[in-house]
Amino acid sequence: AQSVTQLDSQVPVFEEAPVELRCNYSSSVSVYLFWYVQYPNQGLQLLLKYLSGSTLVKGINGFEAEFNKSQTSFHLRNPSVHISDTAEYFCAVSDWGDSSYKLIFGSGTRLLVRP
Amino acid sequence: GAGVSQSPRYKVAKRGQDVALRCDPISGHVSLFWYQQALGQGPEFLTYFQNEAQLDKSGLPSDRFFAERPEGSVSTLKIQRTQQEDSAVYLCASSLGGTGATEAFFGQGTRLTVV
Repeated sequence: AQSVTQLDSQVPVFEEAPVELRCNYSSSVSVYLFWYVQYPNQGLQLLLKYLSGSTLVKGINGFEAEFNKSQTSFHLRNPSVHISDTAEYFCAVSDWGDSSYKLIFGSGTRLLVRP
Repeated sequence: GAGVSQSPRYKVAKRGQDVALRCDPISGHVSLFWYQQALGQGPEFLTYFQNEAQLDKSGLPSDRFFAERPEGSVSTLKIQRTQQEDSAVYLCASSLGGTGATEAFFGQGTRLTVV
C-alpha cells in the first residue's frame, strides 16, 4: 500500500531564509503528488500539484517542488519565507487509476518562521 | 457560500453518544470526500461519494461509522456509540471531478472530542 513519509515534524527557520520540506512516498507506480498547507483554524489549501510533464512544479506564495521518480521524492522548497508562511504543510499522493481520488497524506511538517 | 462548509465546528460527546457531522460542499461539485485527522497526524481517507452514490467506504474504521449524501449535495457523517478513539478532526472535501487530477477543496473541519 502507498505511504508518505515526512521526516521532519517541525522546521524552524528565520524570515527571508530558504527552506526545504522533505517528502518521500513508498510506491514507484505512477502517481499524482500534492502539497497542501493548513493555517491555524483553517482547512487544507492546495499549494501545488504534480500530475505529469515537467518535474519542477511552481505553486503559490513562492513555493515550488521537484518530482524525483528515482528517489520517490517530492520535496517542497521556498527561497525566501515570510512570517505568514508559518503553518502545517502536508505532502499527499494518489495512485493513477480507478482510486486516484484517494489522497494518502504524510503526517505533516510544521514550518515555524521566526523574525 | 464560496467554500466547503462544515458544522458544527466543535463537538463534545460523551462516550456512547451518537453524533452527526454535516458537510455542505461547493455547489455543483460532483465528488465529496470525508477524511479523519487524528492529533498530530495527516488526514486519513474515510469515504467517497460521486453524486449520491457512495463509491468507496473502505476507510470507515468500523460499522459504527456511516455516511450518506441522499440528494447528491449535503452529506452527513454519523458516528454511533462514540468511543474515545473517535476523537479527531473530521474533514470534508469536494471536487468537480472524481480523479486525483481534479483539485479537492477542504472545509475547516469538525473537531470531535469524546469524553
